[in-house]
Amino acid sequence: AQKVTQAQTEISVVEKEDVTLDCVYETRDTTYYLFWYKQPPSGELVFLIRRNSFDEQNEISGRYSWNFQKSTSSFNFTITASQVVDSAVYFCALSERTGTASKLTFGTGTRLQVTL
Amino acid sequence: DSGVTQTPKHLITATGQRVTLRCSPRSGDLSVYWYQQSLDQGLQFLIQYYNGEERAKGNILERFSAQQFPDLHSELNLSSLELGDSALYFCASSAGTESNYGYTFGSGTRLTVV
Repeated sequence: AQKVTQAQTEISVVEKEDVTLDCVYETRDTTYYLFWYKQPPSGELVFLIRRNSFDEQNEISGRYSWNFQKSTSSFNFTITASQVVDSAVYFCALSERTGTASKLTFGTGTRLQVTL
Repeated sequence: DSGVTQTPKHLITATGQRVTLRCSPRSGDLSVYWYQQSLDQGLQFLIQYYNGEERAKGNILERFSAQQFPDLHSELNLSSLELGDSALYFCASSAGTESNYGYTFGSGTRLTVV
């Protein structure tokens, strides 16, 4: 079975600090997709990024960056110069094939608290 | 607005009752997924439909059932409700069934069983 581990349950930082959220995954598939979602206090799940297993290029989007390392089965997420609006629960997820279907397996999430 | 519509947003009901949650997928998406987010279990996959057919089942209780209609909207039926069924229920949609399609989530239905 596939598994996603987010070992950091909760992280607190002061605004403008950089913070990295860790994600480690397990899969036997050779082709798979990794995702990050943000869940703000309002509750909705906001898509942040999707990365396929063949693309190990790091990606940067504004203050967000992602580091995908297949050798260590990790897909870490860094927020640079954090802001209070970044306070949320962040989920890493792995797309898993089940026969002719696919589904997302989520990690347990990391709660990020950014204070002034 | 993600394009995935879930109704109602909030639902409060008593134990033993039956409720129906509704999901309209993003325009053009054929797959619908249901997820349950509870405090103790995290985000758990329940079931997936593709173009009206059930494609994958996860940790869905026998008291729960779902279907996808010809217009592609989906309903999740929860019966004989228990206190432990209180959770946030998400619907997601994607264009197909393969992993390379993105998943778009609705804003969820918060179910409280009292």
